[in-house]
Amino acid sequence: EVQLLESGGGLVQPGGSLRLSCAASGFTFSSYGMSWVRQAPGQGLEWVSAISGGGGLTYYADSVKGRFTISRDNSKNTLYLQMNSLRAEDTAVYYCAKVTGNPTRPSNYWGQGTLVTVSS
Amino acid sequence: SYVLTQPPSVSVAPGQTARITCGGNNIGSKSVHWYQQKPGQAPALVVYDDTDRPSGIPERFSGSNSGNTATLTISRVEAGDEADYYCQVWDSSSDHVVFGGGTKLTVL
Repeated sequence: EVQLLESGGGLVQPGGSLRLSCAASGFTFSSYGMSWVRQAPGQGLEWVSAISGGGGLTYYADSVKGRFTISRDNSKNTLYLQMNSLRAEDTAVYYCAKVTGNPTRPSNYWGQGTLVTVSS
Repeated sequence: SYVLTQPPSVSVAPGQTARITCGGNNIGSKSVHWYQQKPGQAPALVVYDDTDRPSGIPERFSGSNSGNTATLTISRVEAGDEADYYCQVWDSSSDHVVFGGGTKLTVL
Protein backbone atom coordinates (compact mmCIF):
# COMPACT_ATOMS: atom_id res chain seq x y z
CA GLU A 1 0.00 0.00 0.00
CA VAL A 2 1.39 3.39 -1.03
CA GLN A 3 1.73 5.79 1.88
CA LEU A 4 2.96 9.37 1.90
CA LEU A 5 3.40 11.14 5.22
CA GLU A 6 4.26 14.83 5.30
CA SER A 7 5.81 16.55 8.28
CA GLY A 8 7.56 19.78 9.17
CA GLY A 9 4.73 22.25 8.84
CA GLY A 10 4.00 24.89 11.45
CA LEU A 11 3.96 28.58 12.23
CA VAL A 12 6.85 30.67 10.94
CA GLN A 13 7.44 34.41 10.75
CA PRO A 14 7.69 36.22 7.42
CA GLY A 15 11.20 35.92 6.06
CA GLY A 16 11.76 32.68 7.95
CA SER A 17 12.56 29.18 6.76
CA LEU A 18 11.00 25.77 7.06
CA ARG A 19 11.81 22.32 5.70
CA LEU A 20 9.02 19.93 4.84
CA SER A 21 9.57 16.19 4.61
CA CYS A 22 7.50 13.47 2.98
CA ALA A 23 8.20 9.88 4.00
CA ALA A 24 7.18 7.42 1.31
CA SER A 25 6.50 3.70 1.48
CA GLY A 26 4.81 0.96 -0.49
CA PHE A 27 6.54 1.56 -3.84
CA THR A 28 10.01 1.79 -5.37
CA PHE A 29 10.61 5.41 -4.44
CA SER A 30 13.54 6.07 -6.77
CA SER A 31 11.53 5.01 -9.83
CA TYR A 32 8.98 7.80 -9.65
CA GLY A 33 8.85 11.53 -9.86
CA MET A 34 7.43 13.38 -6.89
CA SER A 35 5.77 16.74 -6.53
CA TRP A 36 4.64 19.30 -3.99
CA VAL A 37 1.24 20.95 -4.40
CA ARG A 38 -0.22 23.53 -2.02
CA GLN A 39 -3.66 24.80 -1.23
CA ALA A 40 -4.23 28.12 0.51
CA PRO A 41 -7.22 28.25 2.88
CA GLY A 42 -10.43 28.13 0.86
CA GLN A 43 -8.55 28.24 -2.43
CA GLY A 44 -7.70 25.88 -5.27
CA LEU A 45 -4.71 23.68 -5.90
CA GLU A 46 -1.40 25.31 -6.82
CA TRP A 47 1.54 23.30 -8.11
CA VAL A 48 4.78 24.19 -6.31
CA SER A 49 7.59 21.94 -7.50
CA ALA A 50 8.46 18.55 -8.94
CA ILE A 51 11.51 16.31 -9.11
CA SER A 52 12.48 13.31 -11.21
CA GLY A 53 13.02 9.87 -9.73
CA GLY A 54 16.79 10.18 -9.71
CA GLY A 55 16.68 13.76 -8.49
CA GLY A 56 18.52 15.18 -11.48
CA LEU A 57 15.61 17.17 -12.87
CA THR A 58 13.73 19.76 -10.83
CA TYR A 59 10.92 22.13 -11.71
CA TYR A 60 9.48 25.12 -9.85
CA ALA A 61 6.47 27.38 -10.05
CA ASP A 62 7.41 30.99 -10.76
CA SER A 63 5.98 32.02 -7.37
CA VAL A 64 8.56 29.99 -5.45
CA LYS A 65 11.56 29.81 -7.78
CA GLY A 66 14.68 31.04 -6.05
CA ARG A 67 13.13 30.65 -2.58
CA PHE A 68 12.16 26.96 -2.43
CA THR A 69 14.34 23.92 -3.13
CA ILE A 70 13.01 20.44 -3.78
CA SER A 71 15.22 17.43 -3.13
CA ARG A 72 15.01 13.75 -2.33
CA ASP A 73 17.02 11.10 -0.52
CA ASN A 74 16.29 7.83 -2.26
CA SER A 75 18.20 5.88 0.39
CA LYS A 76 15.69 7.15 2.95
CA ASN A 77 12.61 7.16 0.69
CA THR A 78 12.06 10.78 1.62
CA LEU A 79 11.14 13.90 -0.32
CA TYR A 80 11.97 17.37 0.95
CA LEU A 81 10.97 20.96 0.34
CA GLN A 82 13.27 23.61 1.76
CA MET A 83 11.35 26.87 1.99
CA ASN A 84 13.24 30.13 2.54
CA SER A 85 12.20 33.79 2.59
CA LEU A 86 8.67 32.77 3.43
CA ARG A 87 5.82 35.18 2.77
CA ALA A 88 2.26 35.43 4.05
CA GLU A 89 1.05 34.21 0.67
CA ASP A 90 2.92 30.93 1.18
CA THR A 91 0.42 30.02 3.90
CA ALA A 92 -1.23 26.79 2.76
CA VAL A 93 -1.60 23.08 3.23
CA TYR A 94 1.31 21.46 1.42
CA TYR A 95 0.73 18.06 -0.15
CA CYS A 96 3.38 15.72 -1.46
CA ALA A 97 2.28 13.52 -4.31
CA LYS A 98 3.68 10.54 -6.18
CA VAL A 99 3.75 11.00 -9.94
CA THR A 100 2.91 8.07 -12.19
CA GLY A 101 6.23 8.36 -13.98
CA ASN A 102 8.35 11.36 -14.86
CA PRO A 103 7.34 14.74 -13.43
CA THR A 104 5.20 15.58 -16.45
CA ARG A 105 2.76 12.83 -15.55
CA PRO A 106 -0.27 13.00 -13.21
CA SER A 107 -0.15 12.33 -9.48
CA ASN A 108 -1.88 9.13 -8.45
CA TYR A 109 -1.18 9.16 -4.71
CA TRP A 110 -1.25 12.07 -2.31
CA GLY A 111 -0.35 12.58 1.32
CA GLN A 112 -2.77 14.14 3.77
CA GLY A 113 -0.88 17.42 3.80
CA THR A 114 0.94 19.57 6.33
CA LEU A 115 -0.13 23.11 7.20
CA VAL A 116 2.33 25.96 6.86
CA THR A 117 1.31 29.28 8.38
CA VAL A 118 3.43 32.36 7.73
CA SER A 119 2.52 35.09 10.16
CA SER A 120 4.04 37.44 12.67
CA SER B 1 1.97 31.12 -18.96
CA TYR B 2 -0.68 28.55 -19.81
CA VAL B 3 -4.09 29.10 -18.25
CA LEU B 4 -6.86 26.58 -17.59
CA THR B 5 -10.37 27.95 -17.07
CA GLN B 6 -13.09 26.06 -15.19
CA PRO B 7 -16.59 27.17 -14.19
CA PRO B 8 -16.68 27.89 -10.45
CA SER B 9 -19.72 25.73 -9.89
CA VAL B 10 -21.94 23.11 -11.49
CA SER B 11 -25.19 21.82 -10.02
CA VAL B 12 -27.00 18.64 -10.96
CA ALA B 13 -29.80 16.49 -9.60
CA PRO B 14 -29.10 12.93 -8.47
CA GLY B 15 -29.19 10.46 -11.33
CA GLN B 16 -28.50 13.13 -13.94
CA THR B 17 -25.28 13.80 -15.86
CA ALA B 18 -22.76 16.43 -14.79
CA ARG B 19 -20.33 17.95 -17.25
CA ILE B 20 -17.38 20.00 -16.00
CA THR B 21 -15.37 21.86 -18.59
CA CYS B 22 -11.73 22.92 -18.65
CA GLY B 23 -10.77 25.49 -21.24
CA GLY B 24 -7.28 26.21 -22.54
CA ASN B 25 -5.59 27.29 -25.73
CA ASN B 26 -5.39 24.20 -27.96
CA ILE B 27 -5.83 21.99 -24.90
CA GLY B 28 -6.70 19.16 -27.27
CA SER B 29 -2.99 18.81 -27.98
CA LYS B 30 -2.23 18.15 -24.32
CA SER B 31 -2.98 15.29 -21.93
CA VAL B 32 -5.55 16.36 -19.37
CA HIS B 33 -5.93 14.87 -15.92
CA TRP B 34 -8.81 15.33 -13.47
CA TYR B 35 -8.82 15.24 -9.67
CA GLN B 36 -11.65 15.02 -7.17
CA GLN B 37 -11.26 16.65 -3.77
CA LYS B 38 -13.81 16.18 -1.03
CA PRO B 39 -13.86 18.51 2.00
CA GLY B 40 -10.98 17.89 4.37
CA GLN B 41 -9.38 15.32 2.10
CA ALA B 42 -6.45 15.21 -0.28
CA PRO B 43 -7.15 15.25 -4.01
CA ALA B 44 -7.69 11.95 -5.81
CA LEU B 45 -7.03 11.22 -9.48
CA VAL B 46 -10.25 10.24 -11.29
CA VAL B 47 -9.30 10.55 -14.97
CA TYR B 48 -5.88 10.76 -16.62
CA ASP B 49 -4.64 11.17 -20.17
CA ASP B 50 -7.97 12.67 -21.23
CA THR B 51 -10.02 9.48 -21.01
CA ASP B 52 -8.41 6.81 -18.80
CA ARG B 53 -9.58 5.87 -15.32
CA PRO B 54 -7.35 4.68 -12.48
CA SER B 55 -8.32 1.36 -10.98
CA GLY B 56 -11.19 1.71 -8.55
CA ILE B 57 -12.78 4.71 -10.25
CA PRO B 58 -16.33 3.96 -11.42
CA GLU B 59 -17.14 3.89 -15.13
CA ARG B 60 -19.55 6.75 -14.43
CA PHE B 61 -16.51 9.03 -14.63
CA SER B 62 -15.32 9.72 -18.16
CA GLY B 63 -13.33 12.37 -19.99
CA SER B 64 -12.93 13.89 -23.40
CA ASN B 65 -10.61 16.48 -24.90
CA SER B 66 -10.73 18.32 -28.20
CA GLY B 67 -9.94 21.75 -29.54
CA ASN B 68 -9.92 24.28 -26.71
CA THR B 69 -12.04 22.33 -24.22
CA ALA B 70 -11.64 19.22 -22.10
CA THR B 71 -14.65 17.80 -20.30
CA LEU B 72 -15.14 15.58 -17.28
CA THR B 73 -18.48 13.79 -17.45
CA ILE B 74 -20.06 12.15 -14.44
CA SER B 75 -23.06 9.97 -15.31
CA ARG B 76 -25.79 8.94 -12.90
CA VAL B 77 -24.55 11.43 -10.33
CA GLU B 78 -24.71 10.37 -6.69
CA ALA B 79 -24.65 12.43 -3.51
CA GLY B 80 -21.16 11.10 -2.84
CA ASP B 81 -19.86 12.77 -6.01
CA GLU B 82 -20.27 16.19 -4.43
CA ALA B 83 -16.75 17.63 -4.38
CA ASP B 84 -14.35 20.06 -5.99
CA TYR B 85 -12.93 18.95 -9.32
CA TYR B 86 -9.65 20.19 -10.84
CA CYS B 87 -8.20 19.72 -14.30
CA GLN B 88 -4.44 19.62 -14.78
CA VAL B 89 -1.97 19.59 -17.65
CA TRP B 90 1.77 19.75 -18.16
CA ASP B 91 2.81 22.88 -20.03
CA SER B 92 5.93 21.91 -21.96
CA SER B 93 6.67 25.49 -23.00
CA SER B 94 7.28 26.51 -19.39
CA ASP B 95 7.99 23.12 -17.81
CA HIS B 96 5.20 23.77 -15.34
CA VAL B 97 2.29 21.74 -14.03
CA VAL B 98 -0.88 23.82 -14.43
CA PHE B 99 -4.13 23.38 -12.50
CA GLY B 100 -7.49 24.81 -13.36
CA GLY B 101 -9.19 26.96 -10.75
CA GLY B 102 -11.51 24.16 -9.71
CA THR B 103 -15.24 23.50 -10.02
CA LYS B 104 -17.52 22.83 -7.09
CA LEU B 105 -20.04 20.14 -7.99
CA THR B 106 -23.25 20.40 -6.00
CA VAL B 107 -25.74 17.54 -6.02
CA LEU B 108 -29.18 19.04 -5.54
